[in-house]
Amino acid sequence: DSGVTQTPKHLITATGQRVTLRCSPRSGDLSVYWYQQSLDQGLQFLIQYYNGEERAKGNILERFSAQQFPDLHSELNLSSLELGDSALYFCASSVRQGMDEQFFGPGTRLTVL
Amino acid sequence: GQNIDQPTEMTATEGAIVQINCTYQTSGFNGLFWYQQHAGEAPTFLSYNVLDGLEEKGRFSSFLSRSKGYSYLLLKELQMKDSASYLCAVRDRTGNQFYFGTGTSLTVIP
Repeated sequence: DSGVTQTPKHLITATGQRVTLRCSPRSGDLSVYWYQQSLDQGLQFLIQYYNGEERAKGNILERFSAQQFPDLHSELNLSSLELGDSALYFCASSVRQGMDEQFFGPGTRLTVL
Repeated sequence: GQNIDQPTEMTATEGAIVQINCTYQTSGFNGLFWYQQHAGEAPTFLSYNVLDGLEEKGRFSSFLSRSKGYSYLLLKELQMKDSASYLCAVRDRTGNQFYFGTGTSLTVIP
């Protein structure tokens, strides 16, 4: 158990819908990262937050957005969902900003039908 | 741009040694990480290199050559539970972005 929690574990929804994935980092970790992992691709970095502020953006679609709240939990919002958005979404946390190993949560498996 | 290459699949025998290579071409570099990922589970941290040379951690070692854009992960005394995907990841110059390879699926056979 990495200490990072993600909810829900599984999510099944339809095209065009909007979902919110939630992540709670390890106690004391200020940095949160979001990744997408599809069957045919490796882990794709989406976005990083540090202590409530966005610090880095990767291959994140405009339909996706995220935020980190004062209690340091983070949410990833996915809207206008398409079939191709079906994937495992991982959240990871680290103590500092990019300078430490990341601890990954168990992931949310999103299926868009 | 970023380009990280790893072999797709490897097979090795229980008790043996296996070396998983990773080559990278990135616009900036600030460290290389290796993660292990069992099917359907979260990646777990194995090792980290930022300077050239070998880092040893029990049965796992990782090597880095920054001039060659090359790293390898060495697994000794292979066990069946080592069957997993091994991900190579490069941290960019800012330290905020991580670029992962597609992973090497290792199968350990008796």
